This record gives sequence, C-alpha cells and structure tokens, in this order.
Amino acid sequence: AQTVTQSQPEMSVQEAETVTLSCTYDTSESDYYLFWYKQPPSRQMILVIRQEAYKQQNATENRFSVNFQKAAKSFSLKISDSQLGDAAMYFCASGEETSGSRLTFGEGTQLTVNP
Amino acid sequence: SQTIHQWPATLVQPVGSPLSLECTVEGTSNPNLYWYRQAAGRGLQLLFYSVGIGQISSEVPQNLSASRPQDRQFILSSKKLLLSDSGFYLCAWSVGDSQYFGPGTRLTVL
Repeated sequence: AQTVTQSQPEMSVQEAETVTLSCTYDTSESDYYLFWYKQPPSRQMILVIRQEAYKQQNATENRFSVNFQKAAKSFSLKISDSQLGDAAMYFCASGEETSGSRLTFGEGTQLTVNP
Repeated sequence: SQTIHQWPATLVQPVGSPLSLECTVEGTSNPNLYWYRQAAGRGLQLLFYSVGIGQISSEVPQNLSASRPQDRQFILSSKKLLLSDSGFYLCAWSVGDSQYFGPGTRLTVL
C-alpha cells in the first residue's frame, strides 16, 4: 500500500517570489509515478506536473519544477515567480504501475499568495 | 481533445433518498474511470475504479455503488443516502498513468 504525506497544511509566499511545497511518499513498488495537482477555489483538480520514478531528471513545466529524491522518497514542488493565480490547494499523489493507475493522495497544502 | 463532464454540479438530497451521479468522457476510447470523494479541506478518497465496461472495483465498502454501462460513461449510485455521504464527488479518467478530473458534484445530504 502506498502512503503520501504532506507535512505543511498551509504555506504563504509573496508575489514574484519562490516557494517549495514538501511531499514524502512510501511505496514497495519499483515502478511508479508521482504527481502534483492544483485545486483552486472552483475545486477542479488540475494536473500540474508528473514525474516517472525511473527518470533521474527532475520534471519541469514552465514555472513549476520538482525536486525528486528517490532514495529519500521525497517529491517537492517548487513554484517560481509566484502569481496570484497560483493560490490554491496543492495535492501530491503517487500511482503504481501495477494498480491500474490508481492514485493515492496526500492531505494537501493550502498555498496563499500575498500581493 | 478530451473532455470530461459531470452532472449535476450541485445536489441537495434528503437522508434515505436515492442518488445517481453521472460522468461522461469525450475524445478518448477505453479509458480507466474513477470516482473519488473529497471531504471539506481534505484529500481525495478513491471510491471506485473501472478498467472497462461492466468492470468495477470497489476501494471502500459503503452504501454506494458504481456502474459502467458504456465505454465512456461512469455512474455513481446509492439506494439510500446517509448524512455521511455528503461531500464533493470527482470523476476522473486516464489512458496511461496521468488522471484528469471532471468539475465535480457537490452533494449535501440533509
């Protein structure tokens, strides 16, 4: 069974600055995927970034990047040049290849962006 | 491009009444389909997933059920709602490892 832990219930950042959201996970599988989803006040879940565990290179999507530390089972999300529209709940999730792409989600981190 | 629809967007139902939430996906074939529930301020709990027509796996035993009558249609049902069934219900689809979510249904059971 997988577990995903987000230890920061709330974070805040000044507009244009950088913030890092933490996530740790536990899995017994060797082949798995990791994701960050964003949930704005509309509550629509939006895929932000994904990482394949077998790839050593950290994934990047525009202002969003991850720091994937496989040995430490850590998967943090860095948001650069934060914008007001980045304010949302962010969820870390893991999925195992052998489980039909079922995802296990963390409890989320509420990000506030201050103008 | 692929799109996913859920309806209704909001629902208020009395305790003991039946429930039917519908999810449809466009623009893809043979997707995996998922139902999640989210309590206020919490993460997502996987309720059901389906890898094909008529194939349903339940993750959490409760008074809810799911059906997949067509390739791109996924239905969440209950015969008698409980107060504890209140929450935000999200449908998702995947072809491959990434899941994409619908807009959700906010269910309030009174």
